[in-house]
Amino acid sequence: GAVVSQHPSWVICKSGTSVKIECRSLDFQATTMFWYRQFPKQSLMLMATSNEGSKATYEQGVEKDKFLINHASLTLSTLTVTSAHPEDSSFYICSARRGDGNQPQHFGDGTRLSIL
Amino acid sequence: DQQVKQNSPSLSVQEGRISILNCDYTNSMFDYFLWYKKYPAEGPTFLISISSIKDKNEDGRFTVFLNKSAKHLSLHIVPSQPGDSAVYFCAASARVGNEKLTFGTGTRLTIIP
Repeated sequence: GAVVSQHPSWVICKSGTSVKIECRSLDFQATTMFWYRQFPKQSLMLMATSNEGSKATYEQGVEKDKFLINHASLTLSTLTVTSAHPEDSSFYICSARRGDGNQPQHFGDGTRLSIL
Repeated sequence: DQQVKQNSPSLSVQEGRISILNCDYTNSMFDYFLWYKKYPAEGPTFLISISSIKDKNEDGRFTVFLNKSAKHLSLHIVPSQPGDSAVYFCAASARVGNEKLTFGTGTRLTIIP
């Protein structure tokens, strides 16, 4: 168990477009979901933490109005990159964790976002 | 400030031998540690974890060792198989930090047939 699905896996779009990425926990309820960004040859950098039914907590330096996060249910969180520009091109990965305490995060396969 | 460090960017091991991946951390509040395996263009796959109340956790071919006094953990894979070739990330979290994960920079493991 503990499967996380992320969609789409690849997006190419024009500058100024808004892009929505979905993250679903398929076989468990995720009280907390996380959004990461990974630049080439670097580690995963946490962007924000979202708990179902409440506002996301953003890491320092991450623009809330740029990266909109919605966690409407225990199995779905969405990240919307608003008015995307070339510098937003990156690999975005979500993860989900069931329950509280020491539980591993399970990751989706990521979304490669390319802004032209 | 890199709180979780993997000082070896790459490691090559002969098939059948033991692979040892190392990780050091600086934040004494970390109390839960994990290892993930990652292939290119995919999300990380959870391998094994350990709580700070333990010093060893084993799951099949994977064993994680934790040395709290040295702030060091290691992942042992034995015997190593070609399918183990991937990038391995260690990660740590602390209850007081909302349990968010801090990742190391990764070690690329190559198993030589």
